[in-house]
Amino acid sequence: DAGVIQSPRHEVTEMGQEVTLRCKPISGHDYLFWYRQTMMRGLELLIYFNNNVPIDDSGMPEDRFSAKMPNASFSTLKIQPSEPRDSAVYFCASSSRREHQPQHFGDGTRLSIL
Amino acid sequence: LAKTTQPISMDSYEGQEVNITCSHNNIATNDYITWYQQFPSQGPRFIIQGYKTKVTNEVASLFIPADRKSSTLSLPRVSLSDTAVYYCLQGGKLIFGQGTELSVKP
Repeated sequence: DAGVIQSPRHEVTEMGQEVTLRCKPISGHDYLFWYRQTMMRGLELLIYFNNNVPIDDSGMPEDRFSAKMPNASFSTLKIQPSEPRDSAVYFCASSSRREHQPQHFGDGTRLSIL
Repeated sequence: LAKTTQPISMDSYEGQEVNITCSHNNIATNDYITWYQQFPSQGPRFIIQGYKTKVTNEVASLFIPADRKSSTLSLPRVSLSDTAVYYCLQGGKLIFGQGTELSVKP
């Protein structure tokens, strides 16, 4: 079975540009999560969806960040405009369980904002 | 706020058994304890989950005492490839914390 698929794996862009990260969850999973990982702050939850509806976006750092899930097989995390401090590894995960565990993670997108 | 506490780092040698303990304050009656493993440049990977007493799978064992205020992940006979960061999570709280960086030496 295919796992969680994220694209791109690496993204390097200049400050001020729009960045779009993509995620395809495991088929049949109705929870989808976006995380950000940095050395300083560790692994932080940004937002999660249940049945395509955002449930908790309290971890989204600011209005420059937005996430959508137009259907059960696709989600995007957008940063506009991007800033150097947004540089991090962004992970998407999905789950089929009510308590969210276990979660299945993608390999992440390593984002560098110059 | 529910929070787990783990050692920041641990060192071990190949072939040894490693036990990583996690403290969970304010654990709720229905909370399960879940452990993940993360290698560099990869997403966390589920290892094991339990509610009480002992759970064992092909990778690890999880011990949870009766008061459920802590849990211990046990990795038997570790190898170099077990070098990773290990996280414990409490219930549905999506808080990974700092994890425990395990370093296995030859």
